[in-house]
Amino acid sequence: NAGVTQTPKFQVLKTGQSMTLQCAQDMNHEYMSWYRQDPGMGLRLIHYSVGAGITDQGEVPNGYNVSRSTTEDFPLRLLSAAPSQTSVYFCASSSAGGSYLGAKNIQYFGAGTRLSVL
Amino acid sequence: DQQVKQNSPSLSVQEGRISILNCDYTNSMFDYFLWYKKYPAEGPTFLISISSIKDKNEDGRFTVFLNKSAKHLSLHIVPSQPGDSAVYFCAATFSGNTGKLIFGQGTTLQVKP
Repeated sequence: NAGVTQTPKFQVLKTGQSMTLQCAQDMNHEYMSWYRQDPGMGLRLIHYSVGAGITDQGEVPNGYNVSRSTTEDFPLRLLSAAPSQTSVYFCASSSAGGSYLGAKNIQYFGAGTRLSVL
Repeated sequence: DQQVKQNSPSLSVQEGRISILNCDYTNSMFDYFLWYKKYPAEGPTFLISISSIKDKNEDGRFTVFLNKSAKHLSLHIVPSQPGDSAVYFCAATFSGNTGKLIFGQGTTLQVKP
């Protein structure tokens, strides 16, 4: 059971380059999210999705785009990378849950993508 | 505006003793709280959670306490083991606002043998 898979694990970009961070989950989860982790800042929500075709902004959405065409995949796009986007990026997914409240809120994370923008 | 705060960046305890990690929040609308554990080069993994209708939840060596009036929660690990050394994040959410966890800054726990 792979869970949440993120690719690539590491990436170095030059300022102004574009790239897509891939995220796929095989748990048939409805909800998916992208976070970035910076020293002293914890994890901050970038974008999230409650189902295919539905996305919304989190705390720090500027400079990032997302789309959700399938339940399994939730790619994060950097259109023009900036040094301020140097960070570790985590994708997460969770179930819509049914009657168990915790199921909707317990998110399962991928191993992360470490991105450096020079 | 940091809605979830972990004011201690680090904590060091001796193996076998109790570890207490603290977390404060400012938004009284939060009604579900979680603790995650993170090892280097790995993603965070869910540890334990608590709903605002409870004041305590226990799972083995891990207990989370919630004090709603003080907007404070704590994670107790008893007894602490060297394998518990990791970064611990608390997170909060609204039960109707799925997909949006608000995390604290994290506390690095070191358990010394």
